[in-house]
Amino acid sequence: NIVMTQSPKSMSISVGDRVTMNCKASQNVGNNIAWYQQKPGQSPKLLIYYASNRYTGVPDRFTGGGYGTDFTLTINSVQAEDAAFYYCQRIYNSPFTFGSGTKLEIK
Amino acid sequence: QVQLQQSGAELAKPGSSVKISCKASGYTFTSYYISWIKQTTGQGLEYIGYINTGSGGTNYNEKFKGKATLTVDKSSSTAFMQLSSLTPDDSAVYYCARDGTRVPFAYWGQGTLVTVSS
Repeated sequence: NIVMTQSPKSMSISVGDRVTMNCKASQNVGNNIAWYQQKPGQSPKLLIYYASNRYTGVPDRFTGGGYGTDFTLTINSVQAEDAAFYYCQRIYNSPFTFGSGTKLEIK
Repeated sequence: QVQLQQSGAELAKPGSSVKISCKASGYTFTSYYISWIKQTTGQGLEYIGYINTGSGGTNYNEKFKGKATLTVDKSSSTAFMQLSSLTPDDSAVYYCARDGTRVPFAYWGQGTLVTVSS
């Protein structure tokens, strides 16, 4: 099975900063990656699908990139409400494995 | 609007089974697969498997074969997941999510907490 490895495990960022988090697939997955945001007590929310497509209603400060095995989620001008866990997921081909997540804290 | 409404929290004894539900509304039920995901504090999100809501065909993550059984009732637009031979390791929040080829996993249920304890 494909393993999705996210880094860093956690990060602490100031409001207004730019942050980039990473997701590495153990095999080539093309552009078949999604990113989710999850806040405590809530279900995950889709942010990005097929590596770079922003989902409806997602602020344009969220950008996804990458292809093959290396992917990034960038948040430009981080806001206080962006504090959350972020997960990547392989999509399109089962099993739809998740990464272990990156925790984003706001200073 | 699209909604996935899951059944309430379950408290179960080791060795027993539970069956949780995911009732869909706001779209044509049989046009999208339903996937199930497990979340624990220590393990993050784990993909369990999906069910083709039209045909009833299933696909399971190897880890959950024999543990989870996915079914549907098309007449009520409801998907079900039965978890058997429960152990404390099965204690988790379980989510259903609507899968689509064009936009995958855009809709999630609110989660069902399963606690396994004697």
